[in-house]
Amino acid sequence: SAVISQKPSRDICQRGTSLTIQCQVDSQVTMMFWYRQQPGQSLTLIATANQGSEATYESGFVIDKFPISRPNLTFSTLTVSNMSPEDSSIYLCSVEGRGGRDNEQFFGPGTRLTVL
Amino acid sequence: QKEVEQDPGPLSVPEGAIVSLNCTYSNSAFQYFMWYRQYSRKGPELLMYTYSSGNKEDGRFTAQVDKSSKYISLFIRDSQPSDSATYLCAMSSGGYQKVTFGTGTKLQVIP
Repeated sequence: SAVISQKPSRDICQRGTSLTIQCQVDSQVTMMFWYRQQPGQSLTLIATANQGSEATYESGFVIDKFPISRPNLTFSTLTVSNMSPEDSSIYLCSVEGRGGRDNEQFFGPGTRLTVL
Repeated sequence: QKEVEQDPGPLSVPEGAIVSLNCTYSNSAFQYFMWYRQYSRKGPELLMYTYSSGNKEDGRFTAQVDKSSKYISLFIRDSQPSDSATYLCAMSSGGYQKVTFGTGTKLQVIP
């Protein structure tokens, strides 16, 4: 499995500000994913980020609110823009497995965001 | 109706017990089934990966898939306090389809 790190691990932010979360992988991967995990809810896919193309957003998530960059095969960022308390959540990046198994994903440690 | 249903627990068992964790689903196209373990303040860790129906064993863990009933299970034998975590089921129809997760079951193994 890949080794995935995220920065920051946690943050407390003020309403109306933006936070950029970084995801770094120790090996090259084609597909990276960004999820949100709210208490009592299942992991919700925000978007899929492939290197060299625009991110693909899921229903309910838009690029203006969650811009994503994918400059190379080992790195991605997710920005949470114009934050409100409803954005308080854990944000997770994941990458596809390298063993050829469909939909196998490995997750980073997560970024715990609190918006006041 | 949610696509994947999972009892949130919490489930408390004594050390050494056999634990059964379950998920039901409604999408008959699902054919890849996964179980993740998530410790508090950590990311999910892939435990088991299975394709289609049947059983798969890995140490103390057994994953079981019954596609006819749209029901999957994870059994933990000889449970240990270190197994205390939230267990998430996940499934997909494969290819470029997204993975759908359950809400997770919180397990506590009491020494």
